[in-house]
Amino acid sequence: DQQVKQNSPSLSVQEGRISILNCDYTNSMFDYFLWYKKYPAEGPTFLISISSIKDKNEDGRFTVFLNKSAKHLSLHIVPSQPGDSAVYFCAASLYNFNKFYFGSGTKLNVKP
Amino acid sequence: NAGVTQTPKFRVLKTGQSMTLLCAQDMNHEYMYWYRQDPGMGLRLIHYSVGEGTTAKGEVPDGYNVSRLKKQNFLLGLESAAPSQTSVYFCASSYRAGDTDTQYFGPGTRLTVL
Repeated sequence: DQQVKQNSPSLSVQEGRISILNCDYTNSMFDYFLWYKKYPAEGPTFLISISSIKDKNEDGRFTVFLNKSAKHLSLHIVPSQPGDSAVYFCAASLYNFNKFYFGSGTKLNVKP
Repeated sequence: NAGVTQTPKFRVLKTGQSMTLLCAQDMNHEYMYWYRQDPGMGLRLIHYSVGEGTTAKGEVPDGYNVSRLKKQNFLLGLESAAPSQTSVYFCASSYRAGDTDTQYFGPGTRLTVL
């Protein structure tokens, strides 16, 4: 049973608008969360992370929000650009633990 | 600085054949990982290593073996390939676990087992 879930396999957004990608998890012991971005024929690349002691982390156009009570995190991209079109994976782990659990990914398409 | 490299990029095997996937990293990372990616399943951890000479099982270890004889290399072996092992395999490495760390991924190996 997947411990990290991304229920939207795809998302289409107009350039300049906000993209919101969602992720849910089941293990309340997870305390470190990451988002990765993946282009076709390439490996995933790290985008942004957040630890459970925070509820928001921002890096330029990218913001991750964490709602521990709902076991939910989201990635906001503002403004969205065509170059953001990729598959986005969320991942979770336990602090100082060696394993990361990944969601199934959401394919984002930003239309010019 | 090449980061994480994987060899080969593509491979087609027949059922029952064996092969080894090689992962190499030049970042002096302690931890290395092997994942497989299947449609609708995301990335699933096969095996990982926390240092030279060590290995441990991940979520889906059956049918695979690994070795970490050198710190920079992590090998994934399939002794008797099965069609269920058709997948894209990603290797990753990280300096250490913790809240300031992340994993760096290789470009992947696409394996088809007929």
